[in-house]
Amino acid sequence: NAGVTQTPKFRILKIGQSMTLQCTQDMNHNYMYWYRQDPGMGLKLIYYSVGAGITDKGEVPNGYNVSRSTTEDFPLRLELAAPSQTSVYFCASSSLAGVTGELFFGEGSRLTVL
Amino acid sequence: EDKVVQSPLSLVVHEGDTVTLNCSYEVTNFRSLLWYKQEKKAPTFLFMLTSSGIEKKSGRLSSILDKKELFSILNITATQTGDSAVYLCAVMAGAGSYQLTFGKGTKLSVIP
Repeated sequence: NAGVTQTPKFRILKIGQSMTLQCTQDMNHNYMYWYRQDPGMGLKLIYYSVGAGITDKGEVPNGYNVSRSTTEDFPLRLELAAPSQTSVYFCASSSLAGVTGELFFGEGSRLTVL
Repeated sequence: EDKVVQSPLSLVVHEGDTVTLNCSYEVTNFRSLLWYKQEKKAPTFLFMLTSSGIEKKSGRLSSILDKKELFSILNITATQTGDSAVYLCAVMAGAGSYQLTFGKGTKLSVIP
């Protein structure tokens, strides 16, 4: 059972570079999310999607973009990386968010911007 | 703005102790409260609570919700070193909302 798979696990970027964090789930979940977690802080929602072709902003969307062309994939794009984007990023998915609220998380991607 | 506050932020106990973790919230249109355990990597789901006064149990862990006083507690009895983790509380709120608002977490360390 793969569940939610994120790549890469670690990445170092220079200020101004761009990159894409990949996220794939094999559970046929409609809902997918990107969170970031800073040290000593809870998870903050960046973007979410309720199905293919539909995305919406979360609490902290600035500096990021997403797309959802298929049910399985939900990549997160960082344009013009800044040190403030140094964080651990988690992708998550759920089947019926309104019913259970349970999210299944990937193992995280640790990003450092220098 | 929705707000979830956990206390304490960190806690050190000895194996065998019982601990109580707290989560209070201020949200509009509360729908559910969830507890997650985060060890080294991804959070894993523990409980979801929607109704006041109904205890959820799983082994040595239990949780209860008080919707009148706007808080939840997570109890862990007979703690083990494997219980060492960050425990996250999250609230889903708002009509038609698919977002969870997380607290900062309580870091629990269980020492032998």
